[in-house]
Amino acid sequence: GIQVEQSPPDLILQEGANSTLRCNFSDSVNNLQWFHQNPWGQLINLFYIPSGTKQNGRLSATTVATERYSLLYISSSQTTDSGVYFCAVDRSQGNLIFGKGTKLSVKP
Amino acid sequence: EAQVTQNPRYLITVTGKKLTVTCSQNMNHEYMSWYRQDPGLGLRQIYYSMNVEVTDKGDVPEGYKVSRKEKRNFPLILESPSPNQTSLYFCASGDRDYQPQHFGDGTRLSIL
Repeated sequence: GIQVEQSPPDLILQEGANSTLRCNFSDSVNNLQWFHQNPWGQLINLFYIPSGTKQNGRLSATTVATERYSLLYISSSQTTDSGVYFCAVDRSQGNLIFGKGTKLSVKP
Repeated sequence: EAQVTQNPRYLITVTGKKLTVTCSQNMNHEYMSWYRQDPGLGLRQIYYSMNVEVTDKGDVPEGYKVSRKEKRNFPLILESPSPNQTSLYFCASGDRDYQPQHFGDGTRLSIL
């Protein structure tokens, strides 16, 4: 089956720093999503990005489907960005395969 | 507001006592799914449904039942809960195949 690997597993930043999170996947996919799981456990949709680049405020994402990876950029990080970031690819029929996540801690 | 609503958000119960976690979406989505999240194992799909009266097993269906009698609702049933079903559960919905999935806020179940 499709493998999804995220790196780094843990990341500690000082407030205001920039970061790049990576998601590699082992097969071609039709859908890729990035989520933020906040400290209360809620999964927040960040991007639906099967290919190309999208931006939403301080966050942007790029997926290069032909090379089987996606990147999530966080600029000028804030403490509220802390949590776990997941990428997930769609195996079809609504079955998302999640990576293990990147745990981000932003220090004031 | 477009949303996926799960209830309850938290539940502590005992082994063997049947329970139901409800899930409702107001986006008229075709697809609905249940996931469980466990430390070290990530999120895994339990069951999914592509439409009313159409359901199928995901990766970890043992010990769970689902039904899809109405398009908006997709309850998860634990007929005889056991401690290994202690987990964080998420319901999700999507418009159709390969479209964005929207998740509920999660249900923390503790089975003693």
